[in-house]
Parts: sequence; C-alpha cells; structure tokens
Amino acid sequence: NAGVMQNPRHLVRRRGQEARLRCSPMKGHSHVYWYRQLPEEGLKFMVYLQKENIIDESGMPKERFSAEFPKEGPSILRIQQVVRGDSAAYFCASSPPDNEQFFGPGTRLTVL
Amino acid sequence: QKEVEQDPGPLSVPEGAIVSLNCTYSNSAFQYFMWYRQYSRKGPELLMYTYSSGNKEDGRFTAQVDKSSKYISLFIRDSQPSDSATYLCAMTRTGFQKLVFGTGTRLLVSP
Repeated sequence: NAGVMQNPRHLVRRRGQEARLRCSPMKGHSHVYWYRQLPEEGLKFMVYLQKENIIDESGMPKERFSAEFPKEGPSILRIQQVVRGDSAAYFCASSPPDNEQFFGPGTRLTVL
Repeated sequence: QKEVEQDPGPLSVPEGAIVSLNCTYSNSAFQYFMWYRQYSRKGPELLMYTYSSGNKEDGRFTAQVDKSSKYISLFIRDSQPSDSATYLCAMTRTGFQKLVFGTGTRLLVSP
C-alpha cells in the first residue's frame, strides 16, 4: 500500500504566479489535511477536507489560497499570485475517519 | 502566547543516554496528545499518542501526559544515532482532527 503521495516535491515560482500542489491520499483514506511549515516553525493546520467537501478551513488565509478534494483525483492546494512569504514546506496528510493522520513527504515551495 | 510551546534545541546527547523531550500547552480543552518524529526533508511520522492523562510505553519510548500541569513528555531510553531527528508534539481537542503542533525539538545522538 503506497503512502501519501505529494507532487511536485519542489516547486519554484516567481512572485505573482500560481502554485498548484497535489496530494494523493493513501488507498482507502477519505480525509485529507493540509499543513504549512515555515522555517524554524512547527506545522500549522490549514484545511481539512473530505471527498467533495471542505470540513474545516479555519487555518487557510482568507485570500489567494483555496483547496479541493474532488470525487476523482488528488486533492489540490492552490495558491494564486504567490508572494515571498508563501515560501514554505506544504504537507498533506490523509486518514480514515477519526484516525491517525499519515503524512506525505511534502512540497517545498520557493517563491523568487 | 503560542498554544503549544516546545524548546527548539538542538539537544545533543551521547549514544545510550536517556532523552527527555517536553511540551507545555495553554488550552485545557486538548484531550489527545501525540509525538511525531520528522527526519530532515521528510514528512512527520507518528510515534505515539495518548488520550487524557497518564503514561504509555512502546519499546524504548514512553509518553507522559500531565493535564493538571498542561505538560507532556516523551522519554527515549538507550538512544541511538538513528534517533537523531526533530521531535514534534501535537495535540487536538477531539479525535485526530486539526492537529496543533509545537515547533519541534531537534535531537542529535552522537555515536
């Protein structure tokens, strides 16, 4: 059983461009979480999704950030008009309902 | 004030030492407490979790929760160089949703 897959592993964008981060959960997992890790800081919760539903987006910035988890395909975290402060490692985790979260390897976003 | 406080380290110990890692927290509503290990450039992996107060042991690892003091600990016995990593505490109010993490403590175990 493959683990949580994230791609790309590294993403470089110039200020003002869009960044799309993908997360394929483990087989059988219907819950997906996104976290952001800034340098020298712990992981910060961003959003919790189930298939086709956003359950909790209390950690998402109000502007430029959006997330989806469609019926088919991976979960997508989208950052529009990136700024240098968006540079961070973005981790996706998946789980069965109310159970341990398994983390992916992360996508490291660098904004030039 | 952060919800969860954790000394960033680094904590350097010789092989075989007993390691004590700690977190304090401010929100008394937290009920589930976890410890994650994160190797450089990797995602966190769950080591242990406990519900409410008490101790839990798994091999060389022991987790302790003292809700009255809002203080949790992870002890590693007979530490190995392969234990060198960043250790993150995390906690939630209900179940395993919306984890609140500490900043992590970097542990270095020298041979």
